[in-house]
Amino acid sequence: DTAVSQTPKYLVTQMGNDKSIKCEQNLGHDTMYWYKQDSKKFLKIMFSYNNKELIINETVPNRFSPKSPDKAHLNLHINSLELGDSAVYFCASSLGTGDNSPLHFGNGTRLTVT
Amino acid sequence: AQSVTQLDSQVPVFEEAPVELRCNYSSSVSVYLFWYVQYPNQGLQLLLKYLSGSTLVESINGFEAEFNKSQTSFHLRKPSVHISDTAEYFCAVSNPKLIFGAGTRLAVHP
Repeated sequence: DTAVSQTPKYLVTQMGNDKSIKCEQNLGHDTMYWYKQDSKKFLKIMFSYNNKELIINETVPNRFSPKSPDKAHLNLHINSLELGDSAVYFCASSLGTGDNSPLHFGNGTRLTVT
Repeated sequence: AQSVTQLDSQVPVFEEAPVELRCNYSSSVSVYLFWYVQYPNQGLQLLLKYLSGSTLVESINGFEAEFNKSQTSFHLRKPSVHISDTAEYFCAVSNPKLIFGAGTRLAVHP
């Protein structure tokens, strides 16, 4: 009964490939996010969706494209992978978009681009 | 623009010793404050939060944090740490977007 689950847990691929990471939450939350954590543990928001609509789109290369088929799912597709994309990607969800809503995180997907 | 500064990247401490992890923020308006904990190979989990009311907030596992508006700080403390507290701790500020600090690695040694 994992609250926020993302797959795969590990992803090793070569430069130039296209890959996807899937995320699902069973908490009934309206808002979902993608965060990137670099090798120094720094966390940066990439995208946020509320009820399938994009509400936050940080300065992320357009090789990254999020897709939300419904409010329980938020997938991340990455085209033409580069070495610098290597990181841990976290999906998260929250009850609303309000700034007092705590985030619930998945366990992360460790992406390694070789 | 708001920002979060965690003053220590690493804090080594012996088991049963007290610990304080420091967090300062900058914001021109009222904020909500959070501490998250990340255990190895896991996602972040909410440890405690300050939204309003009492400036001292506590978690279920013995941590507490005090909101100090004049010093714009939200330091995390525990009077006696356990080996199992070894983790990365993130301070975060929200108004409205959630901004994380760079994290503090707490390493508890026997």
